[in-house]
Amino acid sequence: QQQVKQSPQSLIVQKGGISIINCAYENTAFDYFPWYQQFPGKGPALLIAIRPDVSEKKEGRFTISFNKSAKQFSLHIMDSQPGDSATYFCAARPGTYKYIFGTGTRLKVLA
Amino acid sequence: NAGVTQTPKFRILKIGQSMTLQCTQDMNHNYMYWYRQDPGMGLKLIYYSVGAGITDKGEVPNGYNVSRSTTEDFPLRLELAAPSQTSVYFCASREEGSRGYTFGSGTRLTVV
Repeated sequence: QQQVKQSPQSLIVQKGGISIINCAYENTAFDYFPWYQQFPGKGPALLIAIRPDVSEKKEGRFTISFNKSAKQFSLHIMDSQPGDSATYFCAARPGTYKYIFGTGTRLKVLA
Repeated sequence: NAGVTQTPKFRILKIGQSMTLQCTQDMNHNYMYWYRQDPGMGLKLIYYSVGAGITDKGEVPNGYNVSRSTTEDFPLRLELAAPSQTSVYFCASREEGSRGYTFGSGTRLTVV
């Protein structure tokens, strides 16, 4: 199944709070899981990524948690800031040249 | 270093018209991609290319054509535009051995 299911569709978080976005997949052949951040009027930009042999990866305030047995991965944004307000896409690579993207989560961080 | 450049940024087409969306990258990336982004639907792959002269269909290729005569350019052709092709189109490139895409800033197309 070449699908990545992303939730929630939208998320509102207070400044300083934790934002959590979840993704689930079925194809066990996926071998790389990036997250992209997109600001209005711009193309998506690579934010952080993880391989399936790692359970967690942290870069600054952004953390990916990966649960291989459950076939789920999530993005955690700690100490969320208004500047983090954007649309976030998870993605997965099915071992070939291209990625499958989730449907996106629109995050709004209130000041 | 311009990255991935898309033109035009905006375009309104009438039903049945044709147009070409341009995409150029100056990073010497072998892999290039065209995605369309519809609200609540994420990014859907239209076509991709792994090198000059090589193209392949993605998830939603109907109504589109591509060519890749050089490493730098990957134009997307719409023939007989339909309202269902109203979308934001993104071109992306990737270096062989790298795992991250570099996206252009998009073309917003409206078909009326």
